[in-house]
Amino acid sequence: QITLKESGPTLVKPTQTLTLTCTFSGFSLSTSGVGVGWIRQPPGKALEWLALIYWDDDKRYSPSLKSRLTITKDTSKNQVVLTMTNMDPVDTATYYCAHGTSSSSHAVDYWGQGTLVTVSS
Amino acid sequence: DIQMTQSPSSLSASVGDRVTITCRASQSISSYLNWYQQKPGKAPKLLIYAASSLQSGVPSRFSGSGSGTDFTLTISSLQPEDFATYYCQQSYSTLGYTFGQGTKLEIK
Repeated sequence: QITLKESGPTLVKPTQTLTLTCTFSGFSLSTSGVGVGWIRQPPGKALEWLALIYWDDDKRYSPSLKSRLTITKDTSKNQVVLTMTNMDPVDTATYYCAHGTSSSSHAVDYWGQGTLVTVSS
Repeated sequence: DIQMTQSPSSLSASVGDRVTITCRASQSISSYLNWYQQKPGKAPKLLIYAASSLQSGVPSRFSGSGSGTDFTLTISSLQPEDFATYYCQQSYSTLGYTFGQGTKLEIK
């Protein structure tokens, strides 16, 4: 059974750096074809794809946010960490951790429950 | 970036109706197109991947078609639990897997 859970601060101040951790179980990020990524959704708005890391450490980033994002993995701890620098109130959103595989066209087949991050002074 | 455009943005329909939602990519994405359903306060749920493959456990009234730049999601006979927001997503570009803006399906 695959599960993912996001953890991190619920409130950050403008200009601060956000660090979110995704802790997962039921699969290994060292298995060929597996990827774990991050997707966010501002309140009442659409989904926005942020970043993804694959089993072979291949990393993909949203072009519009690439300069602010870093994604890393710790296979031994079953964790993926996303950092986003220079946070702004427009970054207020629910942040989801997501699992996908190349065998299902890199679609997100498992999602975390999401964590709401508010950016405010 | 590859832009994904869904139409319509919102749709009113009745139980039992056949509904079609369209997604257009700004460039060819082959068949790397996925569809999700999201209900309020919940994480999205994968319905269709690779344009037309039904995710395990998803009812057969959901179907997807298309390739290249134009894709459709069809619900053959709407059920009460299908009223939700639907998103398409391309997973073709190495620059990132963008979503459409969503289609809100409401009860008429």
